[in-house]
Amino acid sequence: AQSVTQLDSQVPVFEEAPVELRCNYSSSVSVYLFWYVQYPNQGLQLLLKYLSGSTLVKGINGFEAEFNKSQTSFHLRKPSVHISDTAEYFCAVSRLSGAGKSTFGDGTTLTVKP
Amino acid sequence: EAGVVQSPRYKIIEKKQPVAFWCNPISGHNTLYWYRQNLGQGPELLIRYENEEAVDDSQLPKDRFSAERLKGVDSTLKIQPAELGDSAVYLCASSDRTEQFFGPGTRLTVL
Repeated sequence: AQSVTQLDSQVPVFEEAPVELRCNYSSSVSVYLFWYVQYPNQGLQLLLKYLSGSTLVKGINGFEAEFNKSQTSFHLRKPSVHISDTAEYFCAVSRLSGAGKSTFGDGTTLTVKP
Repeated sequence: EAGVVQSPRYKIIEKKQPVAFWCNPISGHNTLYWYRQNLGQGPELLIRYENEEAVDDSQLPKDRFSAERLKGVDSTLKIQPAELGDSAVYLCASSDRTEQFFGPGTRLTVL
């Protein structure tokens, strides 16, 4: 079994400030890790993914995440946020075997204030 | 390249009525997923298809939910009869084996 915990349900931040959205996971097998963004009334859009290799992963819109196996974490960061980054962010894990059955966290609402 | 297409985008029905959702995955993607996303929560897998075979339907409430993926392309998810607790967004996704691509979802409201 696998599970995902997003440690903050809401993160308010001022524009141009840095932000970190935290994600911890548990799994009995090796996993792939993902961050998705969801804007209102839209589906999920992939921000970045960790499959293997370098533990620092860069994604779209200036986001990056670092895989830490010992701490079973995959925190998402952005050095300077914009108003347009206001959205719901989901962390997900997927087993390496098979075609990627994903387990999602409950999401973190990022609100960027002017 | 077209993304995952879902219809309808919104559906409002009364309880005990039937409802169906349709999904057209990205061309060439053999794996198709149906998720349910309740308000304030992440998506939860209902069923996963490999081509036309349902390989994981352990979370599908089989007393009222059914799904099919004839010919291994389009898929339909049905609820009959709908209950108030079925109000949610139903997301379809398809996969190229390392990444899932999501459709915009169908927002179902059961009154």
